[in-house]
Amino acid sequence: EVQLVESGGGLVQPGGSLRLSCAASGFTFSNYAMHWVRQGPGRGLEFVSAISSNGGSTYYANSVKGRFTISRDNSKNTLYLQMGSLSAEDMAVYFCARALGTGYCSSTSCYNYYGMDVWGQGTTVTVSS
Amino acid sequence: IQLTQSPSSLSASVGDRVTITCRASQGISSYLAWYQQKPGKAPKLLIYAASTLQSGVPSRFSGSGSVTDFTLTISSLQPEDFATYYCQQLITFGQGTRLEIK
Repeated sequence: EVQLVESGGGLVQPGGSLRLSCAASGFTFSNYAMHWVRQGPGRGLEFVSAISSNGGSTYYANSVKGRFTISRDNSKNTLYLQMGSLSAEDMAVYFCARALGTGYCSSTSCYNYYGMDVWGQGTTVTVSS
Repeated sequence: IQLTQSPSSLSASVGDRVTITCRASQGISSYLAWYQQKPGKAPKLLIYAASTLQSGVPSRFSGSGSVTDFTLTISSLQPEDFATYYCQQLITFGQGTRLEIK
């Protein structure tokens, strides 16, 4: 079964850091670009970050650029999101998602990009003192 | 690029035909996707490339459009279709359309 399982969410103080993980199974992880998408309380979906299949290209939303770092370990079938300088605006459910097909997004453009076909269940990040 | 969905919310009955629109602020390619999200759940891909039905998605869902105007149509609403729907083009999502039972 194709599956993504996020972990690492929790309560963090403003200004703090947190690392999210997304464990993939049931498919060849190294063949796919991956993403982090978040959803604030009662809000819509926000594309946070993306990484190509080999990790060589990354994209960050302006709202997180310079504070978040996306990475992956293809030997461990795991995607990561290192988050820093957290504020209340970062409080959300964070989903990891797989790119459909061979598409991916870099800092300048997206290539053959059709969307996200597999999603995890999400992990919740709460920022509060 | 901004994606604007209309309506923002919609009430309909089982069996109704429903259309949701996604308008881009400038002409875009047909790399448009539609997702369904139920409360407390992850989004589910319904349509990609504007009109291609994702595997396993019922045929009552269809997508169409090009350039700046795209639509998602549900031909005959079923009880399990009441949810929020999002369009996406590359790194941008629409604001969502909440479909409620009348």
